[in-house]
Amino acid sequence: DQQVKQNSPSLSVQEGRISILNCDYTNSMFDYFLWYKKYPAEGPTFLISISSIKDKNEDGRFTVFLNKSAKHLSLHIVPSQPGDSAVYFCAASADTNAGKSTFGDGTTLTVKP
Amino acid sequence: NAGVMQNPRHLVRRRGQEARLRCSPMKGHSHVYWYRQLPEEGLKFMVYLQKENIIDESGMPKERFSAEFPKEGPSILRIQQVVRGDSAAYFCASSPVAFQETQYFGPGTRLLVL
Repeated sequence: DQQVKQNSPSLSVQEGRISILNCDYTNSMFDYFLWYKKYPAEGPTFLISISSIKDKNEDGRFTVFLNKSAKHLSLHIVPSQPGDSAVYFCAASADTNAGKSTFGDGTTLTVKP
Repeated sequence: NAGVMQNPRHLVRRRGQEARLRCSPMKGHSHVYWYRQLPEEGLKFMVYLQKENIIDESGMPKERFSAEFPKEGPSILRIQQVVRGDSAAYFCASSPVAFQETQYFGPGTRLLVL
């Protein structure tokens, strides 16, 4: 049973437009959520996170929204840039101090110039 | 300030051989995590170690897999008698404390079992 799901394997967006990446989870014990970005042949890089006590966290062009009742979170990138093209992983944790996360399968974002 | 280093970057083994994957954490980091990524899937947590201690190995297969993080030297993920299903990318991450946001990932080791 996959506890963190990214149902869209890929997303293509025009440069300058908004990219919206979605993530659903099933484990109600998750209380901390992270997004990672990964380029080919590299390890994931932490992008942005949100705690379950919040419903929104913003960092520059990146905003993460959390809907606890729907067990859904999304990452918004505005405006999208070609350099944003990468695989984006959603991850969730039941203990912020555990250091152990459950990852989704990733969404490949392509931003076209 | 070197990042997390993993070697080898690519490893080819025949079925039944042993694979040893090394991870050197960032300077000052005493927490190490190993993840495995199968093709077309996300990263799956395997094990969390601090110096000389295994803290959480709930993601490790029960047989053939072991991990260590000695007082001196890199962390080692060891896979004995490899099978084709072990073919994957293995990522190591390190952090100064047990907190996800401070985890830095290495570039991974791609293991191919023939």
